[in-house]
Amino acid sequence: QKEVEQDPGPLSVPEGAIVSLNCTYSNSAFQYFMWYRQYSRKGPELLMYTYSSGNKEDGRFTAQVDKSSKYISLFIRDSQPSDSATYLCAMSATGANNLFFGTGTRLTVIP
Amino acid sequence: EADIYQTPRYLVIGTGKKITLECSQTMGHDKMYWYQQDPGMELHLIHYSYGVNSTEKGDLSSESTVSRIRTEHFPLTLESARPSHTSQYLCASRHRGPNTEAFFGQGTRLTVV
Repeated sequence: QKEVEQDPGPLSVPEGAIVSLNCTYSNSAFQYFMWYRQYSRKGPELLMYTYSSGNKEDGRFTAQVDKSSKYISLFIRDSQPSDSATYLCAMSATGANNLFFGTGTRLTVIP
Repeated sequence: EADIYQTPRYLVIGTGKKITLECSQTMGHDKMYWYQQDPGMELHLIHYSYGVNSTEKGDLSSESTVSRIRTEHFPLTLESARPSHTSQYLCASRHRGPNTEAFFGQGTRLTVV
């Protein structure tokens, strides 16, 4: 079983839609959760970084962590064509040196 | 914006050639990583380093080697490139602390013909 599962998509939505991206994981030791955005032919860039359970909001982006369900989400409100990219979730355990990544979800926002 | 740089961005090379992919960061990070990324697949860790003269192999077996002579520099070398090495290679770095986010370079897209 993979440490992190992420639906690869692709996901297409109209401009202005609310987008929900999700990952599940199996390791209950994971405490730190990250979302990266990767444009085509670029390296991943960090979007959100959260610790343990709860919500974190940054502009149009909201990250949610539900540790009891081992489930994390990234919500994008009022999606824009510029949000079209691959979104990767990543996580690590306390004190661990390595990150575990999902496969990424490819999102297209249609004008 | 992260200060981590990879060169070259794109490379097409013949089978059997020796190549070195460069990665440098100016953030003073102790931890550096090389990942391999193929379409639709998760990032696979191939090498990592926790500081100067410290290198370890990652989860994905790789015929490449790395060195860490300086904190800011973490080059990856393929002694004899093969078509199976065709992939995107991503370099990343993290601060010393145990739970810090990773910053990535722009990647090197390698094609071996």
